[in-house]
Amino acid sequence: EPEVTQTPSHQVTQMGQEVILRCVPISNHLYFYWYRQILGQKVEFLVSFYNNEISEKSEIFDDQFSVERPDGSNFTLKIRSTKLEDSAMYFCASSPGTAYNEQFFGPGTRLTVL
Amino acid sequence: GEDVEQSLFLSVREGDSSVINCTYTDSSSTYLYWYKQEPGAGLQLLTYIFSNMDMKQDQRLTVLLNKKDKHLSLRIADTQTGDSAIYFCADTPGSSNTGKLIFGQGTTLQVKP
Repeated sequence: EPEVTQTPSHQVTQMGQEVILRCVPISNHLYFYWYRQILGQKVEFLVSFYNNEISEKSEIFDDQFSVERPDGSNFTLKIRSTKLEDSAMYFCASSPGTAYNEQFFGPGTRLTVL
Repeated sequence: GEDVEQSLFLSVREGDSSVINCTYTDSSSTYLYWYKQEPGAGLQLLTYIFSNMDMKQDQRLTVLLNKKDKHLSLRIADTQTGDSAIYFCADTPGSSNTGKLIFGQGTTLQVKP
């Protein structure tokens, strides 16, 4: 069964460094999303991506964040200059665009900023 | 703003029914969802309900929706130890054109043998 994959499973970085989190969505899906979950808090929407552009973003998704679908299969989230408060589990999701919009989630990347 | 709230923890005995409750604020939500997360895995869609329905049944799962009170519940009949997981309620705000999900904080279901 097709699934969303994410790499790495755990990333440790120093504050101020750039990180790129990678996702491979399900191949025939049309919508792509990033969410994050800070420990002990809710899963929060960051951004959605459709037709090779950002279609919706949250207040959290500021200029430090960017997304890309560089080669038609990978979907990446870049954080330019990480802060301590960026430490969280980051989930990628994709959707085929059905009426009820089922989103398929990857297992997540745990980002730890020291 | 849009918000979804759930209780944090539920413990039941194997074979009992489990009921997980959720409230939401967006009266224009079109679909409401229940996702399940097992350790080390991503969130997996369990079931969903369209906002003009009151109830949906899918094998051991029953979803009840009270639009007036903005209350959603998930009932799991004959709960098994394999049902132990975190259950997330979510909705898609009517204002979203891309189907973004707003999640509750998740309810940890513990099933005791």
